[in-house]
Amino acid sequence: GAGVSQSPRYKVAKRGQDVALRCDPISGHVSLFWYQQALGQGPEFLTYFQNEAQLDKSGLPSDRFFAERPEGSVSTLKIQRTQQEDSAVYLCASSSSQTGGATEAFFGQGTRLTVV
Amino acid sequence: AQSVTQLGSHVSVSEGALVLLRCNYSSSVPPYLFWYVQYPNQGLQLLLKYTTGATLVKGINGFEAEFKKSETSFHLTKPSAHMSDAAEYFCAVTRPKGYQKVTFGTGTKLQVIP
Repeated sequence: GAGVSQSPRYKVAKRGQDVALRCDPISGHVSLFWYQQALGQGPEFLTYFQNEAQLDKSGLPSDRFFAERPEGSVSTLKIQRTQQEDSAVYLCASSSSQTGGATEAFFGQGTRLTVV
Repeated sequence: AQSVTQLGSHVSVSEGALVLLRCNYSSSVPPYLFWYVQYPNQGLQLLLKYTTGATLVKGINGFEAEFKKSETSFHLTKPSAHMSDAAEYFCAVTRPKGYQKVTFGTGTKLQVIP
């Protein structure tokens, strides 16, 4: 597709349930980022992939959060045993640059996760 | 470490009036700075960016921002607000080298009053 695609757009999970959020980046983009945006806040960095390598996972809030990008394209963010504090919009972004700097990162529309 | 501070979580302007959204940054290295716009239930869209060179940068939809190193500021302006400008605006900073890990501010919600 032309842009970054995320699915599902909305997810309601019961506390304790596992969820998986999918991100389809722009074709050919080597860099992929996940961000968490709590209500009324700016996006906060979770993790970064360069192709299939996860180079930075310093933003993942706990070991219940896990991300993968096995073939260097589609990425999945998995949250185990969801808690209410995990409720947020999860944004995925991709970029053609692997050296950073001025190259624009394109964002998907996000997945809104509500844990009840 | 890098950070941005956006002054004012909500700003209201009349249609046709000047829009001024404030952003101050902190960075240990010369920063790259961005403004993003987010419409309800949408992702983030890049408005403009400052990397190097000219300190006044122009973006989409008539917005511009000026990088002022002495004031560590990167305020966003638009001469005349339009109803369609109502959205949330995020200032962001990243470092020039290495991968593009972006640090965002907390956002400013712009309301345009007819």
